[in-house]
Amino acid sequence: EAQVTQNPRYLITVTGKKLTVTCSQNMNHEYMSWYRQDPGLGLRQIYYSMNVEVTDKGDVPEGYKVSRKEKRNFPLILESPSPNQTSLYFCASSFIGSYEAFFGQGTRLTVV
Amino acid sequence: KNEVEQSPQNLTAQEGEFITINCSYSVGISALHWLQQHPGGGIVSLFMLSSGKKKHGRLIATINIQEKHSSLHITASHPRDSAVYICAVSIIYSGGGADGLTFGKGTHLIIQP
Repeated sequence: EAQVTQNPRYLITVTGKKLTVTCSQNMNHEYMSWYRQDPGLGLRQIYYSMNVEVTDKGDVPEGYKVSRKEKRNFPLILESPSPNQTSLYFCASSFIGSYEAFFGQGTRLTVV
Repeated sequence: KNEVEQSPQNLTAQEGEFITINCSYSVGISALHWLQQHPGGGIVSLFMLSSGKKKHGRLIATINIQEKHSSLHITASHPRDSAVYICAVSIIYSGGGADGLTFGKGTHLIIQP
């Protein structure tokens, strides 16, 4: 089954404790991206990747890192999480071009 | 940077009503996506279109490229259609680059029995 898998689904952590949210897709998509969703602001892009070892900043990259060492995986890293990073995070993937985007199930992160 | 505006922000209707959600954007695009987000939070792609009209069951999506406008229609609406509907646009550049999706803020739809 074609899917984008994020883990964990829910995470509560403390300020400053490094964490990683994983994202994996099984569709051989070149394009992968991370978004955060906040009430009143909608979905905003954090980082994206056009292919292995090719990543770039989206609209709200501060406080986040990503890596793309393999085509299928695109982890989101918060080196020192802060409460303003409490949000609902989505990973998405697609073929480059005007193709359908597939979304992960979402990760609800709370930083206290 | 593309600006994506959706209307209405909130919509409550009775079961069976015909629903229309509108989306407009400011810059020429390669594709427009309609997404559905259920209360559990998961996002599902409903349509991706770059011209004309698409239909899937009771859902119809149209786009007018010249007017930079798209509509999502739901016929014979049902309580299970209650969700947030999100419009998003993407741009593919001739040089091979691409912009990620730019999203509208969503339309919160409630269908009452």
